[in-house]
Amino acid sequence: EDQVTQSPEALRLQEGESSSLNCSYTVSGLRGLFWYRQDPGKGPEFLFTLYSAGEEKEKERLKATLTKKESFLHITAPKPEDSATYLCAVRLSGNTGKLIFGQGTTLQVKP
Amino acid sequence: DADVTQTPRNRITKTGKRIMLECSQTKGHDRMYWYRQDPGLGLRLIYYSFDVKDINKGEISDGYSVSRQAQAKFSLSLESAIPNQTALYFCATSDPRRNTGELFFGEGSRLTVL
Repeated sequence: EDQVTQSPEALRLQEGESSSLNCSYTVSGLRGLFWYRQDPGKGPEFLFTLYSAGEEKEKERLKATLTKKESFLHITAPKPEDSATYLCAVRLSGNTGKLIFGQGTTLQVKP
Repeated sequence: DADVTQTPRNRITKTGKRIMLECSQTKGHDRMYWYRQDPGLGLRLIYYSFDVKDINKGEISDGYSVSRQAQAKFSLSLESAIPNQTALYFCATSDPRRNTGELFFGEGSRLTVL
């Protein structure tokens, strides 16, 4: 069964305290791994797409990496405005365009 | 204005009532999706549509139906709402020409079934 699991469920950091969020997946065929950010009361907002093991993408304080079994979202020197829920999703082989989402990691960054 | 607009944003209803959630988009995308979000379960796909004549069931379609009235409009119906359909519902679009799989989400419709 195709599955995406994120850990931890919740993470509290002090401002400036770097950390990583994990997304592990077991799927029959990967056609892309996505990271989204979701603020309370809002729809998810696209951050990154990774396609192959070894690929990395960066945006401000965020860096996403991909291996054959998992992806990490590294947050360097986070600020309170980075507080949000971060969602990971995988796109399966085939042309359905469907994504399977993990349950998310809720990040709180305290000043 | 938002590119993907959902109405209503909040709705409280009673068990057995018929409910329709509407989604309209100005992005010109052919593909539209309805997802449901529950705490601890993430986003789960209810239905998706690749064009006006193409409707497909997702992983949790029981108790739901959809209608694609036009390229820009995709509505989700609950024929007889039940309390475990209380959730946050999201409409999303994607552009197959980009081939990135990126989804663009609306702001969500919070539904409470009493």
